[in-house]
Amino acid sequence: KNQVEQSPQSLIILEGKNCTLQCNYTVSPFSNLRWYKQDTGRGPVSLTIMTFSENTKSNGRYTATLDADTKQSSLHITASQLSDSASYICVVSAYAGNMLTFGGGTRLMVKP
Amino acid sequence: NAGVTQTPKFQVLKTGQSMTLQCAQDMNHEYMSWYRQDPGMGLRLIHYSVGAGITDQGEVPNGYNVSRSTTEDFPLRLLSAAPSQTSVYFCASSPTGGPDYGYTFGSGTRLTVV
Repeated sequence: KNQVEQSPQSLIILEGKNCTLQCNYTVSPFSNLRWYKQDTGRGPVSLTIMTFSENTKSNGRYTATLDADTKQSSLHITASQLSDSASYICVVSAYAGNMLTFGGGTRLMVKP
Repeated sequence: NAGVTQTPKFQVLKTGQSMTLQCAQDMNHEYMSWYRQDPGMGLRLIHYSVGAGITDQGEVPNGYNVSRSTTEDFPLRLLSAAPSQTSVYFCASSPTGGPDYGYTFGSGTRLTVV
């Protein structure tokens, strides 16, 4: 069964600090991996997408990495801001079937 | 450009009642879907549609019904609400080709069944 596991479940950091969120997956055959940001009371919004051949993708202060051999991805947030407080969801797509597998998310809280 | 609009934002139902969650998109997206989000769990697919007149079941379809008479609208019907259907519901759309090309999500409907 396809699975996506994220860690930690929740994280509190101080404003200005960096943090790294982890995503492990067992989805096969792998097509692409996206990181979404979900603000409280809102729908998820895509941050990055990576295919099999990409191992790093940046979007401003967000940098995602992908290791397709170990089936792991990480999302690194640099110089955190209060507005980074949200849930971050890892989503893996398999070829064929239009089916996505969602991780449970990491809830990040940035404190002043 | 409104994107994906969901109504209502909040709803409380009594067990056994029925209701329809509305979803509309103005991006001419062919692919639309409904997900539910429960605490600590990933979003789970309820139903999806690859175009007007075509719908199919997702991972957790029981107790829900959908139809797609136009490209723009994709309503979700709860036939007889149960407490287990208490959840946050998201509608999402993507261009032809499906969610591989990225989803646009609505803001969600928080449903409580008492």
